[in-house]
Amino acid sequence: QVQLQESGPGLVKPSETLSLTCTVSGGSISHYYWSWIRQPPGKGLEWIGYIYYSGSTNYNPSLKSRVTISVDTSKNQFSLKLSSVTAADTAVYYCARGGCSGGICYPYDTIYYFDYWGQGTLVTVSS
Amino acid sequence: QSALTQPASVSGSPGQSITISCTGTSSDVGNYNLVSWYQQHPGKAPKLMIYEGSKRPSGLSNRFSGSKSGNTASLTISGLQAEDEADYYCCSYVGSSTWVFGGGTKLTVL
Repeated sequence: QVQLQESGPGLVKPSETLSLTCTVSGGSISHYYWSWIRQPPGKGLEWIGYIYYSGSTNYNPSLKSRVTISVDTSKNQFSLKLSSVTAADTAVYYCARGGCSGGICYPYDTIYYFDYWGQGTLVTVSS
Repeated sequence: QSALTQPASVSGSPGQSITISCTGTSSDVGNYNLVSWYQQHPGKAPKLMIYEGSKRPSGLSNRFSGSKSGNTASLTISGLQAEDEADYYCCSYVGSSTWVFGGGTKLTVL
């Protein structure tokens, strides 16, 4: 059973960089897309971006200038960096696996769904 | 990209059926058959319930079904049970390898 676990600081100061890591266990990070999705307290979900295991990425246009997602296949981990944070970036951050038609994903495939999620980690932006 | 539009809340009694709508545009919901639905209980991570508009993950109850008409996708839950009480979110591919979620719907089982 695939499991995802987010880790990182729960408190970040305004204007600094938020950094989170997602560790994948119970399966390989290969042949799937891996996404970050966030949820401000009491609000809905927002897709942040994805990385394919080979390293290709794409980001939400509204966050693109501040987001970097990277992968370390040797550790079965992928990471999120969000720069110049403000209070509006306070949210529960989830990592999730993106699956494609037939399950595994090939380069340039489209994600069909997000089937495995981490438990989420609350990141508060405050001085 | 704007969030998809969902009703803030719906309710139903045990055993009844309810439908949650998810309205987008001809650029997202109406243009792709890539709407998925997620159930989220308080304090928990979202759970995939429907993908490609109407397909259920293996093992999921057939009380959950999805459909689409034009720019609106729908999630129907039949035979409502107490454990169905949760927030539900739709999600659609919007092109250029990006995705957008709906604002969420709180389902109350009376």
